[in-house]
Amino acid sequence: DQQVKQNSPSLSVQEGRISILNCDYTNSMFDYFLWYKKYPAEGPTFLISISSIKDKNEDGRFTVFLNKSAKHLSLHIVPSQPGDSAVYFCAVSYGGSQGNLIFGKGTKLSVKP
Amino acid sequence: KAGVTQTPRYLIKTRGQQVTLSCSPISGHRSVSWYQQTPGQGLQFLFEYFSETQRNKGNFPGRFSGRQFSNSRSEMNVSTLELGDSALYLCASSRDNQETQYFGPGTRLLVL
Repeated sequence: DQQVKQNSPSLSVQEGRISILNCDYTNSMFDYFLWYKKYPAEGPTFLISISSIKDKNEDGRFTVFLNKSAKHLSLHIVPSQPGDSAVYFCAVSYGGSQGNLIFGKGTKLSVKP
Repeated sequence: KAGVTQTPRYLIKTRGQQVTLSCSPISGHRSVSWYQQTPGQGLQFLFEYFSETQRNKGNFPGRFSGRQFSNSRSEMNVSTLELGDSALYLCASSRDNQETQYFGPGTRLLVL
C-alpha cells in the first residue's frame, strides 16, 4: 500500500503563473518532508524540505507547505518558468533519517511559454 | 566538487545473469543509498550503507545485495536477473543519513 501519494500524474501551467504540486502521506510518524526535481536521463535533484515542526518553508520561487492534521504536503512554484518543466517527487522520512526516503510516484510538470 | 558518479550508465543483460553496479559518492560523504525506479512502482528504497555497514534495507528479495568499501564507494549486485529487474538504479550520497541526499545520474538496466 502506498504510503506517499501524488495523485496528479501530470500538471500543465502557463509561464508566469503559479504551479501547485500536491502530496499526501499516510503515516503520522513521518517527520521530514522533501521535494526533488528530476529531468530525463538525470538523477533527482533536491529542491526544498521541511520538518514536521514547521508548516511553511520558502526558498526563492519555491515554497513548501505542510498540513500535519491533513497529512498533506504541497509545493508552490511562483512564478513558473519553462525550465521548471520536469517530474517532481515528494519524499518522506522518519526518525531524522534521510538515508531511506519513501517517494511518491511523481508529478510531471509542463510549463508552457 | 564532483557529484555522485555511477557506472556503467547503461547495461543490457539476459535473464538468469547477474550484474554489479558501482557508485562513487561525493568526496567526504559516508552514507550511500540505493534506489530502484520503475514506471509502475516509482522510486523504491533498496538499502543504505554507512561506514561499510548496511544500516537500512528495503523490501526487496535477497537477490539484491550491496556493499560499501572503506573509501565509501559502493556496489550493488543483482543475481539471477528477472525481466522485472529492468529499471533505473539510482545511488545517492550524504555526509550522514541526517543530511540531504544527492543523487547520481543512475544506471539503466535492461533485462532481456
